[in-house]
Amino acid sequence: AQSVSQHNHHVILSEAASLELGCNYSYGGTVNLFWYVQYPGQHLQLLLKYFSGDPLVKGIKGFEAEFIKSKFSFNLRKPSVQWSDTAEYFCAVTPYGNNRLAFGKGNQVVVIP
Amino acid sequence: ETGVTQTPRHLVMGMTNKKSLKCEQHLGHNAMYWYKQSAKKPLELMFVYNFKEQTENNSVPSRFSPECPNSSHLFLHLHTLQPEDSALYLCASSQGGQGAGTGELFFGEGSRLTVL
Repeated sequence: AQSVSQHNHHVILSEAASLELGCNYSYGGTVNLFWYVQYPGQHLQLLLKYFSGDPLVKGIKGFEAEFIKSKFSFNLRKPSVQWSDTAEYFCAVTPYGNNRLAFGKGNQVVVIP
Repeated sequence: ETGVTQTPRHLVMGMTNKKSLKCEQHLGHNAMYWYKQSAKKPLELMFVYNFKEQTENNSVPSRFSPECPNSSHLFLHLHTLQPEDSALYLCASSQGGQGAGTGELFFGEGSRLTVL
């Protein structure tokens, strides 16, 4: 079964700082990759996804992620964060053609105004 | 509005109670899921239903009993729970089931369960 590792569970940074969250997965085959975000008091929602093609994918609210197959990684980045980016971010992976998502433990990100 | 509605949003129950969580999706999807979200742990997949048929039970204790009467509704029946079952229970839906899915799930806001 696939698994997902997210490090630095708690991240605190100031507005305009850059953000990078690491995500590594373990699965030998073709995968679909996701980042979900959960704002305080809200539901989990999709931030961005990678299925195939360009390994640099862009999502909502200025976020992007890069799939590096050789490193089994799918790191999330945003060049300049805002206070409204305070949320919990989850990386998830599923084998291609499958809906059995495996999630990481999440990164709690707090942006200080 | 997510298209996936869960009720109740909050539930407190004793260990001897019987209660149910309800999920309804308005997205026309054919697969539905229950996940458990506990603090400092990854989301745990509990059950998967495709076209009303259960396709996965992820070693969930029998005190959790799912029911899927149609593709739009999913229930989680709870009885004789333990305090460690306190968590946020998330329902999700997707278009396409096993072997035909993309993995893109749409989540409800969750039901916060507290077992005393």
